[in-house]
Amino acid sequence: AQTVTQSQPEMSVQEAETVTLSCTYDTSESDYYLFWYKQPPSRQMILVIRQEAYKQQNATENRFSVNFQKAAKSFSLKISDSQLGDAAMYFCAYSGSGGSNYKLTFGKGTLLTVNP
Amino acid sequence: NAGVTQTPKFQVLKTGQSMTLQCAQDMNHEYMSWYRQDPGMGLRLIHYSVGAGITDQGEVPNGYNVSRSTTEDFPLRLLSAAPSQTSVYFCASARPGQGSWLYGYTFGSGTRLTVV
Repeated sequence: AQTVTQSQPEMSVQEAETVTLSCTYDTSESDYYLFWYKQPPSRQMILVIRQEAYKQQNATENRFSVNFQKAAKSFSLKISDSQLGDAAMYFCAYSGSGGSNYKLTFGKGTLLTVNP
Repeated sequence: NAGVTQTPKFQVLKTGQSMTLQCAQDMNHEYMSWYRQDPGMGLRLIHYSVGAGITDQGEVPNGYNVSRSTTEDFPLRLLSAAPSQTSVYFCASARPGQGSWLYGYTFGSGTRLTVV
């Protein structure tokens, strides 16, 4: 079974600074997808960014970017120019590909605090 | 476009009672899943479905039952509620391989269930 590990239960960053959240995963598959979800206090799950394993280029969405290291099975999230609204729980998630493999496995989350 | 609708948002049950958490999506998504979220545990998969009439167990299926008679609906039944089932429950849907898969799974707003 696939596993996702987020080794940082909590992180903090100063407003306007950059922070990197770590995620590692374990899989024997070659084709899969990786996601970062944000969960603010409202409880809503919001997709931040996704990466296809077959793409070597790291995904970028505005201030959010990933460092995808397939061989090392690492998928870290970098938030640049942190804003107060970035404060939330962040979950790394893995999905396989094909048939019943399209189900998400989540890490335990990293709680990000943004200090003004 | 309503997305994924979960009802109720909050529920208190007595031990031994049964109830159904409702989930409906209007995006013609084939895949639907139920997760539970507990502090420090991330989101764990309870049951999932890859289409109408097809369901399978996830990581923590005991005490829960599902059925998928239509593409739109995926109710989760608690057969005999226990305090260990106190949690926040999320329903999610997706259509892998299609354009909307770019956005991963779409989540409902969650149901906070307390069993006393």
